[in-house]
Amino acid sequence: GAGVSQSPRYKVAKRGQDVALRCDPISGHVSLFWYQQALGQGPEFLTYFQNEAQLDKSGLPSDRFFAERPEGSVSTLKIQRTQQEDSAVYLCASSATGTGGYGYTFGSGTRLTVV
Amino acid sequence: AQSVTQLDSQVPVFEEAPVELRCNYSSSVSVYLFWYVQYPNQGLQLLLKYLSGSTLVKGINGFEAEFNKSQTSFHLRKPSVHISDTAEYFCAVSGSGGSYIPTFGRGTSLIVHP
Repeated sequence: GAGVSQSPRYKVAKRGQDVALRCDPISGHVSLFWYQQALGQGPEFLTYFQNEAQLDKSGLPSDRFFAERPEGSVSTLKIQRTQQEDSAVYLCASSATGTGGYGYTFGSGTRLTVV
Repeated sequence: AQSVTQLDSQVPVFEEAPVELRCNYSSSVSVYLFWYVQYPNQGLQLLLKYLSGSTLVKGINGFEAEFNKSQTSFHLRKPSVHISDTAEYFCAVSGSGGSYIPTFGRGTSLIVHP
């Protein structure tokens, strides 16, 4: 597609519920990143894929967070047993290369509210 | 490790006035530097980037930034702002010789008054 597509745009989850957030990157983009953006803050890195390989997951805040990109294109970020502190905007970005030297294209994000 | 400091959380300015948004970074390797803009309820849009070469970088919407290696800064400037420039601006750094994962600052809210 022309841009990075994320769905759903908004998600309200009850505390303890599992959620799955989808990212559809630009076709052919090698690198895919997930970021978490709390209200009034900058994006915080969660995890990074190069094709289907998850090369860095050091930013995932707990083992309740899990991400996959099985075929090297679409990615899913799953949060199990959601808690109120998980409320944030989750941003996905993709890049044409493995080095990011050409910049990163961001999706519009998924706003997750845990009640 | 790399980090980004955006010194101003909020910058109010009148329309048609010049503006500078400050960004300082730290990194142990050579860097790529970026400025992104975020409008309400939208993702981040790339304004400009520095990879190498000329230290003065021009971007979209009349913005420019200057890379200063000795001061480890990458300040964003615009000579005359418009109401439509009201948004959140984020500076980001990635290590061109190491980690390519961009690290973002906390953002600066530019508020343009008529």
